[in-house]
Amino acid sequence: DAGVIQSPRHEVTEMGQEVTLRCKPISGHNSLFWYRQTMMRGLELLIYFNNNVPIDDSGMPEDRFSAKMPNASFSTLKIQPSEPRDSAVYFCASSFRRGVGGYTFGSGTRLTVV
Amino acid sequence: GESVGLHLPTLSVQEGDNSIINCAYSNSASDYFIWYKQESGKGPQFIIDIRSNMDKRQGQRVTVLLNKTVKHLSLQIAATQPGDSAVYFCAENVPGYSTLTFGKGTMLLVSP
Repeated sequence: DAGVIQSPRHEVTEMGQEVTLRCKPISGHNSLFWYRQTMMRGLELLIYFNNNVPIDDSGMPEDRFSAKMPNASFSTLKIQPSEPRDSAVYFCASSFRRGVGGYTFGSGTRLTVV
Repeated sequence: GESVGLHLPTLSVQEGDNSIINCAYSNSASDYFIWYKQESGKGPQFIIDIRSNMDKRQGQRVTVLLNKTVKHLSLQIAATQPGDSAVYFCAENVPGYSTLTFGKGTMLLVSP
């Protein structure tokens, strides 16, 4: 298995632009997580899906952030409009049976909003 | 104003030494624990896990110790190598919570 695949690896965008981050979880995993990592706050959970259904989005910072999981093999995290304070590394992770065996993380998307 | 970054505890060791990274977890009901390693520019990677009905588990060059009395978890790395340099996170599963709870991390620096 190729692991959790995220794209793009790096994204530089101007303030106000829409940004879409993509994730392909490991086949057979039924839980998917979006995390944000910054020096200020460390690793923060943004949203969690189970069987493609959003279960907990309490970590989503504000309405500018949205996430979808249209099927078991694809998820997106969208920021519209983007702001400089959204600059961070965004990780997608997936797991089987809600974390037993741990989460498998992707390589992340480094987002820079200028 | 000036922003203040997250100050990670840092452990500096010499190559070949044994390293011990500690983690105090938050919930006495936690039943499952994981150690992750995050190298620069990469996502966290699973290293080893342990269930609460165990107090020790060994892997290749790594050992995890669990002390439920004081809610303490440690990761021991034998014969530390420069490739072990990374940030190490502990994570706990609390029954009834929908996701793992991650610690803040410890940076391990290994000098040749």
